Amino acid sequence: DTGVSQNPRHKITKRGQNVTFRCDPISEHNRLYWYRQTLGQGPEFLTYFQNEAQLEKSRLLSDRFSAERPKGSFSTLEIQRTEQGDSAMYLCASSSQLGLVGGELFFGEGSRLTVL
Amino acid sequence: GENVEQHPSTLSVQEGDSAVIKCTYSDSASNYFPWYKQELGKRPQLIIDIRSNVGEKKDQRIAVTLNKTAKHFSLHITETQPEDSAVYFCASYSGAGSYQLTFGKGTKLSVIP
Repeated sequence: DTGVSQNPRHKITKRGQNVTFRCDPISEHNRLYWYRQTLGQGPEFLTYFQNEAQLEKSRLLSDRFSAERPKGSFSTLEIQRTEQGDSAMYLCASSSQLGLVGGELFFGEGSRLTVL
Repeated sequence: GENVEQHPSTLSVQEGDSAVIKCTYSDSASNYFPWYKQELGKRPQLIIDIRSNVGEKKDQRIAVTLNKTAKHFSLHITETQPEDSAVYFCASYSGAGSYQLTFGKGTKLSVIP
């Protein structure tokens, strides 16, 4: 499968614990995004990487959230001291820099987080 | 920041009828408008997109129209089929110093056989 891969697919944790999600984008894509989706809502932007550089972060991303893309390939999203409000589907997407406006985002299946 | 409003939130149509979903955006600098389809339990997938230099784009049974003056764009699905049942999201990309795609809240389309 050459699509965007995310793991784990499901994570159940207790409030206060730390969790980490991993995203492996399509190999030739240099752009990587993290989105959060809650039930009945559209995806909400969290952060964006171009190669290894984190170029944009949403104000939704509190200081408990951190994301990395150390070698410009896979990325990790860590949530520290989880809260019940963090329960959501965390979606990763990648795209290639086509030199055009916008461009298709290829989403992964998502990592569903449940905080008890 | 950009704000995208999407209507209706739910839509039921008879198989074979047309479906129309409408979105408005707030940032006049926005210049790229994709539509994503998300089936239950699946990832969002791009179905059609339009850039600000055109007013309409068609791809078989789906079409998108854009009115930059009014800052709204619409998705049209003709001859609906049961497999069109899904949640549809519109989105807007401003590109003005931002890389984020802002999504609407989605429209749940149900096509009744």
